[in-house]
Amino acid sequence: QKEVEQNSGPLSVPEGAIASLNCTYSDRGSQSFFWYRQYSGKSPELIMSIYSNGDKEDGRFTAQLNKASQYVSLLIRDSQPSDSATYLCAVKGSSASKIIFGSGTRLSIRP
Amino acid sequence: SAVISQKPSRDICQRGTSLTIQCQVDSQVTMMFWYRQQPGQSLTLIATANQGSEATYESGFVIDKFPISRPNLTFSTLTVSNMSPEDSSIYLCSVSKQGGTDTQYFGPGTRLTVL
Repeated sequence: QKEVEQNSGPLSVPEGAIASLNCTYSDRGSQSFFWYRQYSGKSPELIMSIYSNGDKEDGRFTAQLNKASQYVSLLIRDSQPSDSATYLCAVKGSSASKIIFGSGTRLSIRP
Repeated sequence: SAVISQKPSRDICQRGTSLTIQCQVDSQVTMMFWYRQQPGQSLTLIATANQGSEATYESGFVIDKFPISRPNLTFSTLTVSNMSPEDSSIYLCSVSKQGGTDTQYFGPGTRLTVL
């Protein structure tokens, strides 16, 4: 089992709709969770971090964390073509200083 | 956040040669990491660069192939030695700020092509 799992996509969503990206992780003691956005040919850019169960909102982005289910998600409201990118879920495990990245979900927003 | 620069931004190298990539941060950081991202793939951690001591390498990566230096809290280098076409990849420097959260920020990357 991979430590951080994501559906590779591509996930196609119409412009203006809600895009939902999901991630599961294996280390039950994980404490820190991150979502990065990576445009083609660019380096990853941090979008959201979340540390506690529940929802965290920042503009059009909402991160959701459920530690009991070992599940973290990212919702993008009012999706725009500029949101088309690969989204990387990242988790800091309980015993290490490093962050483990998922394989990424490719999101495509169609006009 | 942190402002991170990498040099070179891209290079084309011959098989058997070595390339040193530099990573410079605009402020002191606790942790510096080096990642590799092969075409169409996610990020693979090569090693953690430790200031004043040997780097900590991940499984599958060795010091002879990827020597790393970190002379201070704002600078690190990664050398890709005795290169082969399989080393063609994007190499990314990442940092966590001193006293901050676990959040990691990434440099712009170095795109390496080995012929």
